[in-house]
Amino acid sequence: AQSVTQLDSHVSVSEGTPVLLRCNYSSSYSPSLFWYVQHPNKGLQLLLKYTSAATLVKGINGFEAEFKKSETSFHLTKPSAHMSDAAEYFCVVSTPGTYKYIFGTGTRLKVLA
Amino acid sequence: GAGVSQSPSNKVTEKGKDVELRCDPISGHTALYWYRQSLGQGLEFLIYFQGNSAPDKSGLPSDRFSAERTGGSVSTLTIQRTQQEDSAVYLCASRDMSGSSYNEQFFGPGTRLTVL
Repeated sequence: AQSVTQLDSHVSVSEGTPVLLRCNYSSSYSPSLFWYVQHPNKGLQLLLKYTSAATLVKGINGFEAEFKKSETSFHLTKPSAHMSDAAEYFCVVSTPGTYKYIFGTGTRLKVLA
Repeated sequence: GAGVSQSPSNKVTEKGKDVELRCDPISGHTALYWYRQSLGQGLEFLIYFQGNSAPDKSGLPSDRFSAERTGGSVSTLTIQRTQQEDSAVYLCASRDMSGSSYNEQFFGPGTRLTVL
C-alpha cells in the first residue's frame, strides 16, 4: 500500500528566506514522487518529479527536492522565497507502471513581505 | 501546445438539479482522471479512464455520480440531483501512457461547482 504525509499544513516564511516543505511517503515498491503547486483558483502545475534517476531533482522556479530512501522522505526546498511562491503545494506518490496516484493533504505556503 | 481544458469554469446550480462537467484532455493522452477538491482539502480521486473504459470508478461518492468518455478523448462527469455537499472544485487530469512524460499527470484549471 502507498501513502504520503505532508508534515505541515501551513508554513510561513519571510521573503528571501529558505523554504522547506516536508513530505514522507510509504511505498512497497520503488516509487515515483512528484511535487505540484496550486495557485489560488488555478489547476495543479508540476514543479518536479523523481523517477529513480538522480536523487536530487531540480524543478521549475528554483525549487528542488531530494529523494532519501533511508528516511522515506522527499522534502521540497528553495533557497530564497519569493512572494509569487505563495500557494498550496501537494506531494504525490505513485508506483511506476500503475495508474494510481496518492496525494498528500497539501501545505499552504505563506510568504511574508 | 494546448493543455487540458475544462468547462464550465464556474457552475452555480440549485439543489436537486443535474449538472454536466466537461474535460478535454491533451490530444493523444489515453489516460484521464477526475478528482474532487473540497474547500481547504486535498484531492479526492473519483474515476480513472484508460481509453473509453473506466477500470477504476471506486472513488465516485454515490450513484448520483457518473462519467463517460467518448472517442478516447472528451470526458463528461455528470452529477444528478445535486446536493450542497457536492460543492467543490472538480479537476481533470490526463496522462500520456508512453514517452518521456508517461508517468506525469497534466491538470486542467478545474470547474468550481456551487450548489445552492
